Amino acid sequence: QKEVEQNSGPLSVPEGAIASLNCTYSDRGSQSFFWYRQYSGKSPELIMSIYSNGDKEDGRFTAQLNKASQYVSLLIRDSQPSDSATYLCAAHTGGFKTIFGAGTRLFVKA
Amino acid sequence: EAGVTQSPTHLIKTRGQQVTLRCSPISGHTSVYWYQQALGLGLQFLLWYDEGEERNRGNFPPRFSGRQFPNYSSELNVNALELEDSALYLCASSSLLGSTDTQYFGPGTRLTVL
Repeated sequence: QKEVEQNSGPLSVPEGAIASLNCTYSDRGSQSFFWYRQYSGKSPELIMSIYSNGDKEDGRFTAQLNKASQYVSLLIRDSQPSDSATYLCAAHTGGFKTIFGAGTRLFVKA
Repeated sequence: EAGVTQSPTHLIKTRGQQVTLRCSPISGHTSVYWYQQALGLGLQFLLWYDEGEERNRGNFPPRFSGRQFPNYSSELNVNALELEDSALYLCASSSLLGSTDTQYFGPGTRLTVL
């Protein structure tokens, strides 16, 4: 069973701190990885995609990929209360299938 | 560029009824995915259509079905509604060019079964 695992949280960080969200995946054949943000009652919104080992930065967000460890992370710098949401990690596996994790709930305290 | 659209936004049905949900993908996208998200839970994969064909199906009973039209829009049909079918139904679209399968979600249809 190919899986994407995330800590359900909630992860609570103070405003201005760095939030670190982690994800592991089981299929070594996975090539593409995605982070989505989902506000309560809304649909998931793509934040970042990452395909190569290392870091990818976009504004306050940095995605990190380590294929040897089968590990993906998302760092949110200068966290704001508006970042409070559920963050979904997804991995695109072979056979054109994308598997989503159950998500990590993040609370940013003002 | 218009995003993924879904209709209706909200729907209230009674147990045993049938419902049809609709989705229009982003222009140029040929793949459409359907997901069910019950309150407080994660995304459950329902169906994947590409180029008019059903490519994959999640672990749902046959009363969940759908189709994709020549213009790549899609319908999800649910027959014999049950209370536990109450959920947010999400449609996503992607282009398989480059094989990255970046999925973009529509706003969802909130289905309530009474």
